[in-house]
Amino acid sequence: KAGVTQTPRYLIKTRGQQVTLSCSPISGHRSVSWYQQTPGQGLQFLFEYFSETQRNKGNFPGRFSGRQFSNSRSEMNVSTLELGDSALYLCASSLEETGSGNTIYFGEGSWLTVV
Amino acid sequence: QKEVEQNSGPLSVPEGAIASLNCTYSDRGSQSFFWYRQYSGKSPELIMSIYSNGDKEDGRFTAQLNKASQYVSLLIRDSQPSDSATYLCAVNRQNYGQNFVFGPGTRLSVLP
Repeated sequence: KAGVTQTPRYLIKTRGQQVTLSCSPISGHRSVSWYQQTPGQGLQFLFEYFSETQRNKGNFPGRFSGRQFSNSRSEMNVSTLELGDSALYLCASSLEETGSGNTIYFGEGSWLTVV
Repeated sequence: QKEVEQNSGPLSVPEGAIASLNCTYSDRGSQSFFWYRQYSGKSPELIMSIYSNGDKEDGRFTAQLNKASQYVSLLIRDSQPSDSATYLCAVNRQNYGQNFVFGPGTRLSVLP
């Protein structure tokens, strides 16, 4: 079974531009979440989507947004890029199960550099 | 106080030894706990999940959970140089859905 697929893997953008990152979850997984990883702040939760609806949201400004499509694929968008947005953006998917658990599996990530 | 804290590294152990990684969390209502391993330049990969108090073993790895003490640990037996990586402790805030909080990670070096 294919894992979580993220595109693009590497990209360089200029301050003020916007960027869209794409994620295809593991087949059958309906929950997709996004994380930002930086050396200073570590791994931080951005938001989670389930059934095309944002279900949970982290503490990031409105410049960070996302969406999920009917096939569970997800995109995240960052507008008006700042130098501090340079990071590894990780997508994770989960097989929705009742109760506790819901292990997440990460994609390889998208490395974003803002210059 | 950070929500999830881990013992500061780097932690160095000789090959064949037991590596012990510790994690504490602040949200007493947390229900699910995870250990991920991350090699440099790579994404985190799941090692183990644990939901109930006590020990859970999987091969050379044993996770321990004590909800009363808000403490999670990971033991790696017979450590190998390939175990050298950063280990991330994660807690899911939500009982329904995903809202994971990760610790800062502990870098482990296994010396041949």
